[in-house]
Amino acid sequence: AQTVTQSQPEMSVQEAETVTLSCTYDTSESNYYLFWYKQPPSRQMILVIRQEAYKQQNATENRFSVNFQKAAKSFSLKISDSQLGDTAMYFCAFMNPGTSYDKVIFGPGTSLSVIP
Amino acid sequence: EPEVTQTPSHQVTQMGQEVILRCVPISNHLYFYWYRQILGQKVEFLVSFYNNEISEKSEIFDDQFSVERPDGSNFTLKIRSTKLEDSAMYFCASLGWDSNYGYTFGSGTRLTVV
Repeated sequence: AQTVTQSQPEMSVQEAETVTLSCTYDTSESNYYLFWYKQPPSRQMILVIRQEAYKQQNATENRFSVNFQKAAKSFSLKISDSQLGDTAMYFCAFMNPGTSYDKVIFGPGTSLSVIP
Repeated sequence: EPEVTQTPSHQVTQMGQEVILRCVPISNHLYFYWYRQILGQKVEFLVSFYNNEISEKSEIFDDQFSVERPDGSNFTLKIRSTKLEDSAMYFCASLGWDSNYGYTFGSGTRLTVV
């Protein structure tokens, strides 16, 4: 069974600084998607970034980028120029398309606080 | 950008009462899901729905839960006899195989059982 682990329950960063959130996963599949979701206090689930496992190039989305290490099964999220609005819970998630009807498996989350 | 819409945003119910949580998935999506997040815990898969039937369900999704797509647009989750431990955030999601790989979550319904 696939699992997703986030070893940092809480993190904090100064405004305008850079922070990296860690995620590891376990799977025997070769084709899958990885996601980072942001959950602000409103508790809405917002997609931050997506990575397809077959792509070697790391995904980027404005201030957000990932470091995808397929062999190590690692998928970290880097937030540059942190802003107060980045304060939220961040979930790493895994999906293996075409199996289990594409359900998403979430990690336990990392609570990020951006300090002014 | 297309959205998944959930109503109500917050519902309070008495223990033992039935509740129906409603979702309107993105119109051209074919796969639909419900997830649950108990406060302070991680998001858990409940059920997936495809071609008008349940395709997979988790251990959490016992006989008190049911889902249906009654009219081709709404996708509902019914909890027949609510328990205190059903208090959680419930998220609907839909998936379409478009170029954006649109796995989209709704904004959630916060269910409080008292």
